[in-house]
Amino acid sequence: KQEVTQIPAALSVPEGENLVLNCSFTDSAIYNLQWFRQDPGKGLTSLLLIQSSQREQTSGRLNASLDKSSGRSTLYIAASQPGDSATYLCAVIGGTDKLIFGTGTRLQVFP
Amino acid sequence: DTGVSQDPRHKITKRGQNVTFRCDPISEHNRLYWYRQTLGQGPEFLTYFQNEAQLEKSRLLSDRFSAERPKGSFSTLEIQRTEQGDSAMYLCASSPTRGWDTEAFFGQGTRLTVV
Repeated sequence: KQEVTQIPAALSVPEGENLVLNCSFTDSAIYNLQWFRQDPGKGLTSLLLIQSSQREQTSGRLNASLDKSSGRSTLYIAASQPGDSATYLCAVIGGTDKLIFGTGTRLQVFP
Repeated sequence: DTGVSQDPRHKITKRGQNVTFRCDPISEHNRLYWYRQTLGQGPEFLTYFQNEAQLEKSRLLSDRFSAERPKGSFSTLEIQRTEQGDSAMYLCASSPTRGWDTEAFFGQGTRLTVV
């Protein structure tokens, strides 16, 4: 059974810092991994999708890497801003054809 | 097309009442998923459809829950005889198809409060 873990559970940093959020999964037989952002009381916004054959994806200040063999992904946020404050969720999809989520990292960026 | 749409955004109901939620996926997306999320947790899978066929249901989905996707377009999730433990955010997502390149897109969710 696939299990996804995210650490840290919460993170509070001053504006301008570079951040690394971690995601690990137990079954390496995945199709892809997706990172999402969730603001309080809202739905999920897709940030990045990494296919299983890829090593990383970039979008603006965000860079996500994937090491399928070790069951790990990282989301790197450069030059953090208060507007980045949200919960970040990673999810994997494999042969079961459904996204399996971690519990998220709650990020607070203060001015 | 503006994305996945869910209605209502909020629902407050008394214990024992039935509620129904609606999800309109991105057009041409043939996969539609329902998830439930409680405070501080990641979304948990409930069920999904490929076109109008319901392919899998989670064990979380008790007999009180039913989902439909007539004609492979919008979907409804009904909860009968609601209980306080049903209070959660119900999220809908759609994606084009299965496979390695499919990105899932979520709606804004329906927040259910059972009093």
